[in-house]
Amino acid sequence: DAKTTQPPSMDCAEGRAANLPCNHSTISGNEYVYWYRQIHSQGPQYIIHGLKNNETNEMASLIITEDRKSSTLILPHATLRDTAVYYCIVRVANSGGSNYKLTFGKGTLLTVNP
Amino acid sequence: KAGVTQTPRYLIKTRGQQVTLSCSPISGHRSVSWYQQTPGQGLQFLFEYFSETQRNKGNFPGRFSGRQFSNSRSEMNVSTLELGDSALYLCASSLGTGEETQYFGPGTRLLVL
Repeated sequence: DAKTTQPPSMDCAEGRAANLPCNHSTISGNEYVYWYRQIHSQGPQYIIHGLKNNETNEMASLIITEDRKSSTLILPHATLRDTAVYYCIVRVANSGGSNYKLTFGKGTLLTVNP
Repeated sequence: KAGVTQTPRYLIKTRGQQVTLSCSPISGHRSVSWYQQTPGQGLQFLFEYFSETQRNKGNFPGRFSGRQFSNSRSEMNVSTLELGDSALYLCASSLGTGEETQYFGPGTRLLVL
């Protein structure tokens, strides 16, 4: 799986948009970008994933650059409960079940301040 | 739909003992993956089970083993516990028919004394 690079920490004011960047310059054409977050000592929570197009769900938006070498997770109106470590993961799809490993990096600690 | 459940949530053992952790996947999910999370190594993949068979394996010693039952519930066993096995053990479930999204349980916090 391609390696990802994320800033170790970011701050955001409550109510503002949080934009979390991820660099995955060695991504392959069949690799998806996944985002998870982990609130202290809880299990990682799935947020969103995408291949080429921008994606949006009730939690966040995912913007993937045209060359797919980087992406940004956007939390439109951050709350204190969004304080967590956010992981960007690149993962091969459609390998017939031979690749179920999620490779987690160190992620970005997002702190939402009141 | 109920989420992934793990039992027990907390566990204290002593060196040399063995431990069994349990994971119940989301209804309809047939794949269960196990991960270990420590402050030093982060989240690391242990193994994945699908249809009662281990399909993928990480780089952990043979003291770490698992199994899956016909109802897709999975157990993970660690024998001859070491202090370094203290960690948060997480399981994740998915449909298992492709590389779909994995959903994680709350984890089991194991402390080895």
